[in-house]
Amino acid sequence: QLHLQESGPGLVKPSETLSLTCTVSGGSISGSSYYWGWIRQPPGKGLEWIGSIQYNGDTHYNPSLKSRVTMSVATSKNQFSLKLTSVTAADTAIFYCARLGYCIRDVCYHGDYWGQGALVTVSS
Amino acid sequence: IQMTQSPSTLYASVGDRVTITCRASQPISSWLAWYQQKPGKAPNLLIYKASTLQSGVPSRFSGSGSGTEFTLTISSLQPDDFATYFCHQYDNLWTFGQGTKVEIK
Repeated sequence: QLHLQESGPGLVKPSETLSLTCTVSGGSISGSSYYWGWIRQPPGKGLEWIGSIQYNGDTHYNPSLKSRVTMSVATSKNQFSLKLTSVTAADTAIFYCARLGYCIRDVCYHGDYWGQGALVTVSS
Repeated sequence: IQMTQSPSTLYASVGDRVTITCRASQPISSWLAWYQQKPGKAPNLLIYKASTLQSGVPSRFSGSGSGTEFTLTISSLQPDDFATYFCHQYDNLWTFGQGTKVEIK
């Protein structure tokens, strides 16, 4: 049973960089081809995929956020991280880390585990 | 790939049969999941591969569809089912529908 836990500042000033880390326990990030992703949810709104990274560093970003997003993985710590630059109030949201699915040769495998979420507020 | 859910809000009573629809902007085979989310909680996986029930999920939940049209059905709505439901495609990158909130009529 995997457990994912988000950590990072809950308050970020406008124009600064939001940084979050997800620590995975109960299994290894390197153990499979799953992607490890970040999803955000503004208060009272829907889910938006931000980006995903595989244990080997292969990354995919939401085109609408790509210019501001960087993800990295630290397999020795079983962690992956998110940096979102030049934040504004519109970036205020609950940020979830999750294990997301992957596809190989026309067959896809679903994701399943999510962290509890971390509220990040952008305000001066 | 854009995912469009309908309706945005659904009003129903305990015991009702409830159906939520999700449409993909391009074919995604059966690579679709459904999640349930309750206030203050992370989404919880209900169904994957369009129609496969996740372990531990009650059998009153079912999913169907392929290509671009998908449905989530709750055969007899229970008090614990009042929540928001999201569809999620994992065929080409990852996207979520905007959600359907099931509220008490």
